[in-house]
Parts: sequence; structure tokens; C-alpha cells
Amino acid sequence: KNQVEQSPQSLIILEGKNCTLQCNYTVSPFSNLRWYKQDTGRGPVSLTIMTFSENTKSNGRYTATLDADTKQSSLHITASQLSDSASYICVVSDYGGSQGNLIFGKGTKLSVKP
Amino acid sequence: KAGVTQTPRYLIKTRGQQVTLSCSPISGHRSVSWYQQTPGQGLQFLFEYFSETQRNKGNFPGRFSGRQFSNSRSEMNVSTLELGDSALYLCASSLTGGEAEKLFFGSGTQLSVL
Repeated sequence: KNQVEQSPQSLIILEGKNCTLQCNYTVSPFSNLRWYKQDTGRGPVSLTIMTFSENTKSNGRYTATLDADTKQSSLHITASQLSDSASYICVVSDYGGSQGNLIFGKGTKLSVKP
Repeated sequence: KAGVTQTPRYLIKTRGQQVTLSCSPISGHRSVSWYQQTPGQGLQFLFEYFSETQRNKGNFPGRFSGRQFSNSRSEMNVSTLELGDSALYLCASSLTGGEAEKLFFGSGTQLSVL
């Protein structure tokens, strides 16, 4: 069964610190992996999209890595800010030819404290 | 460019009623997809429309339906509401709905069924 597991479920860090969120998937065949940030009460916002051939992608202070062999991805946040407090969702797509084949993780809730 | 617009923002209904939610995609985007988000299940795919045709459907009962108009605006309808339908309903748009295309989400409609 295609699944996306994220860890930890929740995380509290101090402002200015770095953190790493994990995503393991069993989706096959694999097309791409995405990370989204979702603020409370808002829709998700795309951070990165990586295909099979890419093993790292950055978006400002956010860096995603992908190991397609072990089916693992991580999202590293550098020098965290209060505005980074949000849920981070890992999404994996199989070769379905459309957006209908996205499998969502349940997210990691990050709280950044001053 | 205006983002994805969803209306209404909040909705309260009682069991047995029906509801219609609206989504206006980003100008020029022809693919619209709908998702249900609950605390327990996370984000789950409902269906995707492209050029007024349903291209893909998730694993939801027939009470959930949708349509897309010639201007790419989309509506989803839920009939005979159940308590378990309480959720945040998100729509997302993309240019063509291709596999690695970036999805742009609206802020969602928060539906409460009493």
C-alpha cells in the first residue's frame, strides 16, 4: 500500500535554531516528492518539488533532500524564525499522469518559540 | 495575479442537508483539484477536473461530486451531509495538472456539520 510517514509528529524549537523533519515513503512507482508549509487556517504553500533524479533542492532557508534508494526525504530549516511555526507536509506522487496520484503525509507540526 | 479563491470561508450545516463549495483558480490555470483535510486523516484527494472533465477521482462516496465550468471555475457538492463530513475542504489549481506541476492552494472552506 502506498504510504507516506512523517516524523516527528510535532516539534518545538527555539528561534534561531536549525531543525530537520523526516519523510519516509513506500510509494511505487515514484514520480516526485513535494514539501508544503501550511499555516493554521490556510491552504498549503509549496516549498520544493523533487523528481527522481534530484537529491537536493533549496528554497531560501528551506533545504529538502531526497534519497530515492532508501525512499527517504528530509526538510532542513536553517536559522528558524517565529513565522516558520506551521505544519509541514510531505507529499509523494506516483506515475499517474495527473495530480490525482498524490499521497499525503499527515504532517509535522513545528512550533518556534522566542 | 490573484490567488486561488474559495467561497464561502466558513459553513455550518446540519446532518442530511447538502452543500456547494466554490473555487476560482488562478487565471490561466485549467486544472482544479479538491481535497478534504481532517485532523485524523490529513489531506485526502477528492477529484480533479481539467477542461470541464473529471480526470481523476479519489476514494470517496458518491455523495461527493463536482463540476468545472468553461472558465475553469469549479464547484463541489456534498449531499446528505454526515457528521464525519466536517472538515477543511481545499481546492488547488495548476496550469495543466501535469505530474510535477506546482499546486496552488486556496485557503479552504471550513465545513461544520451539526
